[in-house]
Amino acid sequence: SQTIHQWPATLVQPVGSPLSLECTVEGTSNPNLYWYRQAAGRGLQLLFYSVGIGQISSEVPQNLSASRPQDRQFILSSKKLLLSDSGFYLCAWSRGENQPQHFGDGTRLSIL
Amino acid sequence: GNSVTQMEGPVTLSEEAFLTINCTYTATGYPSLFWYVQYPGEGLQLLLKATKADDKGSNKGFEATYRKETTSFHLEKGSVQVSDSAVYFCALSDRTGGFKTIFGAGTRLFVKA
Repeated sequence: SQTIHQWPATLVQPVGSPLSLECTVEGTSNPNLYWYRQAAGRGLQLLFYSVGIGQISSEVPQNLSASRPQDRQFILSSKKLLLSDSGFYLCAWSRGENQPQHFGDGTRLSIL
Repeated sequence: GNSVTQMEGPVTLSEEAFLTINCTYTATGYPSLFWYVQYPGEGLQLLLKATKADDKGSNKGFEATYRKETTSFHLEKGSVQVSDSAVYFCALSDRTGGFKTIFGAGTRLFVKA
């Protein structure tokens, strides 16, 4: 069966520090991969998605970036965090169009 | 473009009450429709889905019917439990949207014992 792992679960970072969140999927090949952010009590904001290695689509211009160095690995990064980057970050995968998405457990990021 | 609108929360019910969470959509193609549930501090889980008109998705006592004529996919449960307290998201995906899923804003449900 397929599983998705996200880490870390919780992260506290100072303003201006770098960020790296990692997501890996097991049990499937060539998944579509997604990064979302969820502000407290709010809905989901799609940040990036990828349909293959090295292919990244950005939905919202900001100081975040994403990379997909391997088929089942998706990384969210920032060179310099802002206070507004605080939130709950969720990684997800799907098999393709019209297919459901499967989510990781999320990373709660607090910026001080 | 595609969009999903769901009723604002929070919804507060007593245990064993009947639940309805309304969801309507707009789509240019023929979307698949989903309901996801998010428990506190966790990621979203797929609750049920329907892929074509008149399909009924069901899981754990929850049901939703894909109504093309009213562009709706309302979530229902006959008797809620305290453990159903969570945030519920309606969502759609179709080929014209590429590989993206459009999510509603979420509806928080509180169930009191």
